[in-house]
Amino acid sequence: DGGITQSPKYLFRKEGQNVTLSCEQNLNHDAMYWYRQDPGQGLRLIYYSHIVNDFQKGDIAEGYSVSREKKESFPLTVTSAQKNPTAFYLCASRETGEKLFFGSGTQLSVL
Amino acid sequence: GQNIDQPTEMTATEGAIVQINCTYQTSGFNGLFWYQQHAGEAPTFLSYNVLDGLEEKGRFSSFLSRSKGYSYLLLKELQMKDSASYLCAVGPWGDYKLSFGAGTTVTVRA
Repeated sequence: DGGITQSPKYLFRKEGQNVTLSCEQNLNHDAMYWYRQDPGQGLRLIYYSHIVNDFQKGDIAEGYSVSREKKESFPLTVTSAQKNPTAFYLCASRETGEKLFFGSGTQLSVL
Repeated sequence: GQNIDQPTEMTATEGAIVQINCTYQTSGFNGLFWYQQHAGEAPTFLSYNVLDGLEEKGRFSSFLSRSKGYSYLLLKELQMKDSASYLCAVGPWGDYKLSFGAGTTVTVRA
């Protein structure tokens, strides 16, 4: 079945540590997205990409980095510069003008 | 940039109707989406409006006025399972960027 797979479901980060969240899609979508969601809040755009080897900053990119080396993969690294990383992270993909398909999310917490 | 506003919370009774408004300001316009999200889960797609007017899908309808930068989601015959957060999202023309409003939490009471 086609879809988006995020892993891990739960992730813990220590002080000063970088962690990477995985996102893989087999829908052959060009565009991929990362959103952050804090409790009781909406989704805030971190980064997005519409083609391999290219990506753009969203509204809250500071403290995060991404790569798009393959069409199906868009990993997100939460760096030590992100001082408040605890949140629910959602990856999504879509074709131009079509709806977003979401992964099941990763809950990141700080130890 | 994009500025998207939605009410924070709404409460309604089972069987009633609720209308969730969304106003937006964006540089160009490339469609408006509505999503439903239950706590701890990923959002699920409800509707996509590109042209002005009302689109109906069963108990849910969505309306768009591009000239007013305004949309609403209408939920009819409310059921307890409709208690969720409803998110409005807008994309600017010529850009893949898609930004969401803060969401409206709807609570359905018996």
